[in-house]
Amino acid sequence: AQSVTQLGSHVSVSEGALVLLRCNYSSSVPPYLFWYVQYPNQGLQLLLKYTSAATLVKGINGFEAEFKKSETSFHLTKPSAHMSDAAEYFCAVSEKGGYQKVTFGIGTKLQVIP
Amino acid sequence: GAVVSQHPSRVICKSGTSVKIECRSLDFQATTMFWYRQFPKQSLMLMATSNEGSKATYEQGVEKDKFLINHASLTLSTLTVTSAHPEDSSFYICSALGAVLQHGYTFGSGTRLTVV
Repeated sequence: AQSVTQLGSHVSVSEGALVLLRCNYSSSVPPYLFWYVQYPNQGLQLLLKYTSAATLVKGINGFEAEFKKSETSFHLTKPSAHMSDAAEYFCAVSEKGGYQKVTFGIGTKLQVIP
Repeated sequence: GAVVSQHPSRVICKSGTSVKIECRSLDFQATTMFWYRQFPKQSLMLMATSNEGSKATYEQGVEKDKFLINHASLTLSTLTVTSAHPEDSSFYICSALGAVLQHGYTFGSGTRLTVV
């Protein structure tokens, strides 16, 4: 069984400050890991994904995440927050080996303060 | 890149009626499509998985007779909410997986269903 824990349902940062959204996963086999962003009343957009290549993954909009197997973590970071980054962020996991369903965390709502 | 079109984006219907939501993969063939439901301030909950030409696989607790899923072609899947009730009001999102496995499933823009 696989699961995802996102620490902090709400995170507030000042514009220009570091963004850190935490995600820990549980998986019985090596995982694929994802971060998605969702704007109000919209679907999900993929920010980045880890699929067993480089452990530091760079995504769109200046976001990146590092896969740390020893810590079972896949935290999302961005050096400098923009107002446009305000949205809900979901961490997700699926198990390797052909198609596997994706399990989502509860989401973290990011607020950017001017 | 891969694009999934979902329609309608918003729908309001009367209690007891049925509503159909379409999910189309525009530039790739989707061998597998997923339907999710998202309640306010909550995560996405997988409702069912559909493979083209076969019956959908429903998650535990999801009523297959209420949420009818059809995946008749490699580019189209539909979700029909039958005899809708106010508690069915939610945000429904589809996701598609191409024949060439590309993790990072492509999502539709979602459908806001309100049953009055």
